[in-house]
Amino acid sequence: DADVTQTPRNRITKTGKRIMLECSQTKGHDRMYWYRQDPGLGLRLIYYSFDVKDINKGEISDGYSVSRQAQAKFSLSLESAIPNQTALYFCATSTTGARYNEQFFGPGTRLTVL
Amino acid sequence: GEDVEQSLFLSVREGDSSVINCTYTDSSSTYLYWYKQEPGAGLQLLTYIFSNMDMKQDQRLTVLLNKKDKHLSLRIADTQTGDSAIYFCATSSNTGKLIFGQGTTLQVKP
Repeated sequence: DADVTQTPRNRITKTGKRIMLECSQTKGHDRMYWYRQDPGLGLRLIYYSFDVKDINKGEISDGYSVSRQAQAKFSLSLESAIPNQTALYFCATSTTGARYNEQFFGPGTRLTVL
Repeated sequence: GEDVEQSLFLSVREGDSSVINCTYTDSSSTYLYWYKQEPGAGLQLLTYIFSNMDMKQDQRLTVLLNKKDKHLSLRIADTQTGDSAIYFCATSSNTGKLIFGQGTTLQVKP
């Protein structure tokens, strides 16, 4: 079984709809991240959480919110989706105190906003 | 702010060497990384280098680090079609976040 899972894997929605993307991990890691990937722009950090009670904005948090329901679960919400939020979204995890900060990625969620 | 830059595309013939380059602005990163993204998948750590090293070799992979010029490169020897992927350079900020480049798409022609 995959260590970092994301649901759904694909989603098509309409402008103005509320969308939630979910991420679960079985790695026991304390740190979790949400990124979006756009062609030619690489990965940009949306939100990150170093602990269940710790939530931090990344470089592009506007229009997004997150919830860390448990150490293993980190969900990303788009309160009112807009077309420029069409992208590939990745969840990742890592562990505090690791010698080097390797992040482990989920398979991604492809979101299309019409 | 912190920035990582890569060229977007590289095409090589099978059996040739590939060199993917990266420049960065934040010199405080303790480790620098190369991640690989295969089609339809998430990123996976390919290799990394400690900032006080100039070179690291791992089988067909060679990482070169020039701290003075803030330049990182990844050389893949004897490139195979299975090496076709997007390669991301990344640095680590002092808050523990990773800063990724735009990604270089490596196309390997048979």
